[in-house]
Amino acid sequence: NAGVTQTPKFRILKIGQSMTLQCTQDMNHNYMYWYRQDPGMGLKLIYYSVGAGITDKGEVPNGYNVSRSTTEDFPLRLELAAPSQTSVYFCATTGTGFGGTVDEQFFGPGTRLTVL
Amino acid sequence: AQSVAQPEDQVNVAEGNPLTVKCTYSVSGNPYLFWYVQYPNRGLQFLLKYITGDNLVKGSYGFEAEFNKSQTSFHLKKPSALVSDSALYFCAVRPGRNTNAGKSTFGDGTTLTVKP
Repeated sequence: NAGVTQTPKFRILKIGQSMTLQCTQDMNHNYMYWYRQDPGMGLKLIYYSVGAGITDKGEVPNGYNVSRSTTEDFPLRLELAAPSQTSVYFCATTGTGFGGTVDEQFFGPGTRLTVL
Repeated sequence: AQSVAQPEDQVNVAEGNPLTVKCTYSVSGNPYLFWYVQYPNRGLQFLLKYITGDNLVKGSYGFEAEFNKSQTSFHLKKPSALVSDSALYFCAVRPGRNTNAGKSTFGDGTTLTVKP
């Protein structure tokens, strides 16, 4: 199993450009999350999804959009890139918690984005 | 609102010595607590979690953590540090009223350096 995969690994954008960060998981997890990690800071939640067709905002959603058409994929869209969006982006998943279990998150390797 | 504080940006220890990485939290109700480790240019990896029960939880790579409800702390410990333990460590909290749907809040991270 590949777990959680993210593409691309690195990307440089110009101000105003758009792009989609891809996240795919083969763990059959319902819950998926997008975080950004700025230098010296913890992870900030951008958007999350509790299942296909359901998404919700996290702490820092402005400037981003998401969709969840399948269990496996949770792409993050930047419409008008700004320098403030320079960061490392992590996708994560969590199990469904059947039987009352509380599961940890599984993270992808990250996408390092620079906006110039 | 829930929050996590990791009061030390950096912890330095000598190989073979015990290590402690501190974490305090604030959350409504009973907490679910997690520790993750991040190696350079990698995603976060799960170390251990506290859900309920014994206050001392054991995790991967010889790490353990002690849940202290009265002090709202969840410090990460290891009896004998290895150079390979050098990494960035994150504490996270999730409210206990939901199993896996609840959103986690991460601390800003503590860089652990173990010197030979």
